[in-house]
Amino acid sequence: GAVVSQHPSRVICKSGTSVKIECRSLDFQATTMFWYRQFPKQSLMLMATSNEGSKATYEQGVEKDKFLINHASLTLSTLTVTSAHPEDSSFYICSAPTGTNTEAFFGQGTRLTVV
Amino acid sequence: AQSVSQHNHHVILSEAASLELGCNYSYGGTVNLFWYVQYPGQHLQLLLKYFSGDPLVKGIKGFEAEFIKSKFSFNLRKPSVQWSDTAEYFCAVKFGTGGYNKLIFGAGTRLAVHP
Repeated sequence: GAVVSQHPSRVICKSGTSVKIECRSLDFQATTMFWYRQFPKQSLMLMATSNEGSKATYEQGVEKDKFLINHASLTLSTLTVTSAHPEDSSFYICSAPTGTNTEAFFGQGTRLTVV
Repeated sequence: AQSVSQHNHHVILSEAASLELGCNYSYGGTVNLFWYVQYPGQHLQLLLKYFSGDPLVKGIKGFEAEFIKSKFSFNLRKPSVQWSDTAEYFCAVKFGTGGYNKLIFGAGTRLAVHP
């Protein structure tokens, strides 16, 4: 199947700093990618839809100024957590479909810890 | 609101026991349905999917699921589980037709299989 890679897999940062997470589609082009957040022992919550060449679409309740998404190319989307706080600590996962009405492939996730 | 419900949060089985995990969704229109598995420390992997056609879908590793439209359900089954099936299982639904797969996830079911 298609491969989606996230980097870094783990990151620890100080409160108030910003952290960038990358999501790459390695063997296909993805005009759309999705960013999810997973709290411990909970399900994946969709945060936003990343669109290549245009603004991301955020789900209700997600602060767009805090979670900056940039879809710079057909194989790369980045999520930047700005001015991170301990409550932003979570597992962030991206996914990318290979086309419309197809399955989405998931990255391995990034565990963010804000201290 | 569109939602996905998984009834069993924790399931404990012995090897060779049969498995059925429930998944229901709230939406009267067209849906695409998925079951994903997350093994400890690994990323989400697709077990099976339903887009159209035969409502009984066979996936990898001996799993199958049946789409019952009248019950808004897509339950996952396996006749005989193995210790290696220990993982977390997520039901996911794409609501509506067309477009890319923006998935809504259920809360997940943590399965533990004892030898």
